[in-house]
Amino acid sequence: QQQVKQSPQSLIVQKGGISIINCAYENTAFDYFPWYQQFPGKGPALLIAIRPDVSEKKEGRFTISFNKSAKQFSLHIMDSQPGDSATYFCAASMLEGAQKLVFGQGTRLTINP
Amino acid sequence: EAGVVQSPRYKIIEKKQPVAFWCNPISGHNTLYWYRQNLGQGPELLIRYENEEAVDDSQLPKDRFSAERLKGVDSTLKIQPAELGDSAVYLCASSLEAGRETQYFGPGTRLLVL
Repeated sequence: QQQVKQSPQSLIVQKGGISIINCAYENTAFDYFPWYQQFPGKGPALLIAIRPDVSEKKEGRFTISFNKSAKQFSLHIMDSQPGDSATYFCAASMLEGAQKLVFGQGTRLTINP
Repeated sequence: EAGVVQSPRYKIIEKKQPVAFWCNPISGHNTLYWYRQNLGQGPELLIRYENEEAVDDSQLPKDRFSAERLKGVDSTLKIQPAELGDSAVYLCASSLEAGRETQYFGPGTRLLVL
């Protein structure tokens, strides 16, 4: 019940296209859903996050869509650029109590120029 | 503002040898986390500190792993003895306080056990 399932494992998108990564969770006690971006040799860095009281959050080219009833959330990257090529992790946590981040398996995104 | 600092960045040891990783969190961050990231996987929490206190160490293999956070600032994670399966990236993260969303990660220590 602590798992977060992420898909796809890898994704190739043309420059200027839309990249979409999906995650699903089971634990309804999760109340914080961040996306992290990780470049080779670096630690994960917070990209964007959402709380379950809203269905969408947008920051620049990055949008999280959240479906509480389906227990799913997704990351959309608009106008994808070669610099977006990285591994993306979704995660979930409870801000009260356990507070630990439970990460998905990661998606390796490649943006072709 | 300096980020989370970790050292060493890389470590190669033979199995059964001890190894230690050091982390200096962002100044003023009371909460510190150690994660392990296996190749091609997401990070998994090993231990969480609130100041000096380890408040969640349920995922720490206590037979060979130990951690400490003296004075509630720097932290050290130790493995003794190391096994082949311990090869991974060990990430340290910190956050301002319990319940604050953003965790800031360091670059990690890549461990290879031969």
